[in-house]
Amino acid sequence: GAVVSQHPSRVICKSGTSVKIECRSLDFQATTMFWYRQFPKQSLMLMATSNEGSKATYEQGVEKDKFLINHASLTLSTLTVTSAHPEDSSFYICSADAGGEKLFFGSGTQLSVL
Amino acid sequence: AQTVTQSQPEMSVQEAETVTLSCTYDTSESNYYLFWYKQPPSRQMILVIRQEAYKQQNATENRFSVNFQKAAKSFSLKISDSQLGDTAMYFCAFMTRGNTPLVFGKGTRLSVIA
Repeated sequence: GAVVSQHPSRVICKSGTSVKIECRSLDFQATTMFWYRQFPKQSLMLMATSNEGSKATYEQGVEKDKFLINHASLTLSTLTVTSAHPEDSSFYICSADAGGEKLFFGSGTQLSVL
Repeated sequence: AQTVTQSQPEMSVQEAETVTLSCTYDTSESNYYLFWYKQPPSRQMILVIRQEAYKQQNATENRFSVNFQKAAKSFSLKISDSQLGDTAMYFCAFMTRGNTPLVFGKGTRLSVIA
């Protein structure tokens, strides 16, 4: 199957700093990528839809100024958590649309804000 | 809006036995796609099986099969000859068409007991 690379897999940062998470489709082009957040023992919650070359579409309740999404190429989308606080600690996971109604997931990023 | 309901938070099964995980959904769309994803402790999302709503034949993948009842909006997953490696969270998911996000159920935690 297609491969989606997500980095870093784990990051610990101090409160008030910014963290960038990368999501790359390695063997296919993805005009659309999705960012999800998952709290412990819960399901995946959609944060935003990232479209190459245009602004991301955020779900209700997700602060677009805190969670900056950039989809500058057909193989890369980034999520930047700005001025991170402990309540932003979570597991973040991306998925990329490979066409044909097939989505592939990155391996996720565990963010811990101290 | 589409919703996905998984009514079994936790289930257990003896090794080599068969288990069925339930999923119901609600939509006004006539064509859509349904998925079962497995999330082991590594938290990598692994596609188990995919069903296209316009296909009446139930999808199968080795030990995994679905019972798709379109009129009842039901999409259950049957795991035959359960193995210890099947222990994981299982998420039922819905998608209307390409370039749209997956909508997930809350998940069922499956434990396979030796």
